Formats: sequence, structure tokens, C-alpha cells
Amino acid sequence: AQKVTQAQTEISVVEKEDVTLDCVYETRDTTYYLFWYKQPPSGELVFLIRRNSFDEQNEISGRYSWNFQKSTSSFNFTITASQVVDSAVYFCALSERNGANNLFFGTGTRLTVIP
Amino acid sequence: DAGITQSPRHKVTETGTPVTLRCHQTENHRYMYWYRQDPGHGLRLIHYSYGVKDTDKGEVSDGYSVSRSKTEDFLLTLESATSSQTSVYFCAISEGQKNQPQHFGDGTRLSIL
Repeated sequence: AQKVTQAQTEISVVEKEDVTLDCVYETRDTTYYLFWYKQPPSGELVFLIRRNSFDEQNEISGRYSWNFQKSTSSFNFTITASQVVDSAVYFCALSERNGANNLFFGTGTRLTVIP
Repeated sequence: DAGITQSPRHKVTETGTPVTLRCHQTENHRYMYWYRQDPGHGLRLIHYSYGVKDTDKGEVSDGYSVSRSKTEDFLLTLESATSSQTSVYFCAISEGQKNQPQHFGDGTRLSIL
């Protein structure tokens, strides 16, 4: 069965600190896709990134970076030099190629960046 | 922003009444989804559609039905609302290929008293 675990329920950091949000997944499919979404206090869900299971290269986008490791079934998200605008709930999600195309979400990590 | 409109944005109703939530898209995307978001659960799929009149159940479909008579509209109906269906409901859309990113509407906050 598929499952996404975000063990960190809440994290607080001081502005300009780096922070890593953990995501561990379970799937029996050999081809799958991993996603990160951001939900700011206003409530909408913003797509951040999609990676497929065959591409283990780390990705960097500005202050954001993602570390995908199949060996540990993890897809961690790091924010460098955090800012107050990064305060949000972040969700990791999994989609399987042989599944119904829906996303399985983790329970989210609430990040608070303190000025 | 993806052209997704959910209506209503907020609704308060009583147990036992029928409720219909609407999702309208202007992107002509094939897939549409309804999720509910509850504390401690993240988002969970209720139903999804892969084309006009083509729908299927998700993880938490009991007590819900859906309809898709046009590409742009996906309706979620609670036939007889219960307090356990108090939640924030999100509609999402994605393009024709599988496993594409889903883009979400702004959500509907539903309270059932």
C-alpha cells in the first residue's frame, strides 16, 4: 500500500536559518512520482515540484532544494536562508503510475519562520 | 494561476440536508478531483473524473457522489450531510497524461451543524 509520512508536525526557525522538511514514502510501484505543495496561511495549495522515480538528481530552485534518495525512500525539501513568507504548511505527496492518478498526501509540516 | 473556481467558498448547513459543491475549470483539462482536508489527515481523495461522465471512487467516497456532464464542471454532492463531513473541500485538475501535477482551487469551507 502507498503511504507518505511527514514525521515533523511543526517546525519553527528564526529568519535566515536553513530548514529541512522530511518526507518518507512507501510504494510497491517501480514507477512513481513525488510532489511537494505549499499551503500558505491564505489556504490555497501551490505546486512546487514533481520528480519521477527514475530521476534521482537533486534539484535546486532559488532558495529551495530537494534531495531524492530511493535507497531510503525519502524526498526531503530544504529551504535555505528562510524568510517569513516561507511560513506555511508543506505537503509531500505520491502518485503511482499504475494507480488511479490521484495523489496520496502526507499529513503536512507546519513551518513557522520567526522574524 | 490555473483557472479553477470553486463555489460556494463557504457554507454552513444542517445535518441531513443535501449539499452540492461546484468546481469549474477553464483549462480544458481531462482529470478533475475532489479532496477533503482535515487536521491530522492531510488531503484525502473523495472522487475523481477522467472524462465527461467518467468518474471513480477515491479513498473516502462514502456519503459522497459526483457528476461530470461537461468537461469544465465537476460537482460533488453530499446527499444527506453529516457532521463528520465538516471539512475543507478542494477541487483539483490535471492534464491528460497521468501523474501530471495537480492544480488546486481555493477550497470550500463546509460546516455541518
